[in-house]
Amino acid sequence: DQQVKQNSPSLSVQEGRISILNCDYTNSMFDYFLWYKKYPAEGPTFLISISSIKDKNEDGRFTVFLNKSAKHLSLHIVPSQPGDSAVYFCAASGENSGGSNYKLTFGKGTLLTVNP
Amino acid sequence: DGGITQSPKYLFRKEGQNVTLSCEQNLNHDAMYWYRQDPGQGLRLIYYSQIVNDFQKGDIAEGYSVSREKKESFPLTVTSAQKNPTAFYLCASSFRSTEAFFGQGTRLTVV
Repeated sequence: DQQVKQNSPSLSVQEGRISILNCDYTNSMFDYFLWYKKYPAEGPTFLISISSIKDKNEDGRFTVFLNKSAKHLSLHIVPSQPGDSAVYFCAASGENSGGSNYKLTFGKGTLLTVNP
Repeated sequence: DGGITQSPKYLFRKEGQNVTLSCEQNLNHDAMYWYRQDPGQGLRLIYYSQIVNDFQKGDIAEGYSVSREKKESFPLTVTSAQKNPTAFYLCASSFRSTEAFFGQGTRLTVV
């Protein structure tokens, strides 16, 4: 049973426009969410995270929004650049749940293509 | 430079053989992880370790074994019991359960 879902396998946008990548989760114990970017044959690199006590976190061109009631988060990239073309993974953990849950659960990823 | 080093980058194994993938980190992170990536499957957790001499099974631990004798090292052995070992293996580490940092991966191919 997938606890973190990225329902769009791919997304294509024009350079300069906004990219919106979506992620849904089912486990209500998740309270820390992360986005990673991955190029082929390389390890993922951390982009941005958000704790469940917030609904928005911004870092330069990247903004993550969290809607806890809908168990939904999204990553906005604006403006999109050709170098942003990669697979983006959403991940979740229960860091602040009081337990010792160190596990990061990943979605299947969304391939973003930014066209010049 | 601080980071996570996986070796080798490419590994070929004959059927029936065990093989060990290396993962070393000098970030002084407590937790270390092994993930497997298959096409269309995202990253699936094999094993993780929160402290030295302790580790837990992830979602797909069958056919794999690990050890954590040192804080810096978390080697993964792919045993002959793993029926479909060809995949891209990723090691990661984190300070507690904050953002994990990944190595560059090992591509294992069974020949």
